[in-house]
Parts: sequence; structure tokens; C-alpha cells
Amino acid sequence: QKEVEQDPGPLSVPEGAIVSLNCTYSNSAFQYFMWYRQYSRKGPELLMYTYSSGNKEDGRFTAQVDKSSKYISLFIRDSQPSDSATYLCAMVNYKLSFGAGTTVTVRA
Amino acid sequence: DVKVTQSSRYLVKRTGEKVFLECVQDMDHENMFWYRQDPGLGLRLIYFSYDVKMKEKGDIPEGYSVSREKKERFSLILESASTNQTSMYLCASSPTNYGYTFGSGTRLTVV
Repeated sequence: QKEVEQDPGPLSVPEGAIVSLNCTYSNSAFQYFMWYRQYSRKGPELLMYTYSSGNKEDGRFTAQVDKSSKYISLFIRDSQPSDSATYLCAMVNYKLSFGAGTTVTVRA
Repeated sequence: DVKVTQSSRYLVKRTGEKVFLECVQDMDHENMFWYRQDPGLGLRLIYFSYDVKMKEKGDIPEGYSVSREKKERFSLILESASTNQTSMYLCASSPTNYGYTFGSGTRLTVV
């Protein structure tokens, strides 16, 4: 079993829809939880990070962490074509472990 | 902004060649990492380094070695390239546990 599980998709939504992404994990030692966005032919870039259970908002993006269920989510409101990318969840104990990534396409 | 520069975007090498992938960061970060990224598998950690001349094995170190002679430079070495090492290689640096900055990647093809 992988430490971090993420549905690879692909996910296709119309412009303006809410995008919902999630990951589950097995290692209760994970402390920091992150979401990275990766455009084609680019390296991943950090979108959001959080340390504790609960919600964190940044503009159109909301990250949720539920440590009791070992489950994290990312929501993108009012999605735009420029949000089309691969989204990777990542978690840290002493090193960063990644999910497989979910490819998202927002159709204009 | 932190910049992480990988020396090559695309490389084609022959089986059995020794391959060097170079990574340079410009923000004096202590920590540097090498990952490979494959479809359906995500990013997997090959090696990392917390200080000059220091290295630690990641999850998939077999067939690879690293060198960190200067703080800003972290090199990944494929001792004898094989076709199953065809992949996207990503270098990252960070000052903390979570503030990773990635380079744009090197797409290596071994033929």
C-alpha cells in the first residue's frame, strides 16, 4: 500500500465549476500537508500548506485536512481554464511524500 | 524568488553511459532533493542532502548516486544508465520541512 493515495483522474469540468480533489494517507506521523500545482513541462509549485486539521482558504482555493480520517482535500471555486494542470498532494514527516497527481482540465 | 536551475531540459543517452544531472539553487537553502516523476507513480524520492558533503538515500536510490561539494549545487549521477531510468527528473531545494521549490525538470531518455 502506498503511503499517499490520490486518484489520477483525469478530471474535466466546465469553467466556473467547483473542482474537488482529495488524497488519503496511511502514516499518522505526517505533520505538514501541501498541495502543489504542476503545469505541463514545468516543475511543481507550492499552492497551499497546512499543519493542523481544519480548513485553510487562499482566494479561490480551500484546503481541508482531517487527521482523524487521514484525508485531505483541495477545492477550487469558480474554476478557470488557467487552473488546468496536474495537482499533487504532498505530506511531510522527515521527508516529502507525494500522491500520484490528478490531472484537471477546465473547459472554457 | 528562489530559483532552482536544472542544467538540461531534455537529454538522450545510451544504455551503459554515465549520466550527470546538475542542479543549482540560488537562495542558500540547506536542503536539496532529487525526485523522479513517472505517470501513475507521482514523484519518488531518489536522494536528498541536508548539508554539504552529506547525503541520504530516499525511496529508490538503486542505480543512482549524488554529489554535493558546494551548498548551492546537488548533482545526480546515473552510474550506468538503463532504459528503466527513462523519466522526468526533478530537483528541489528548501529551507524548511515544507517550503520546497522545484526546478523545471530534466526529461531523460535512455535508448
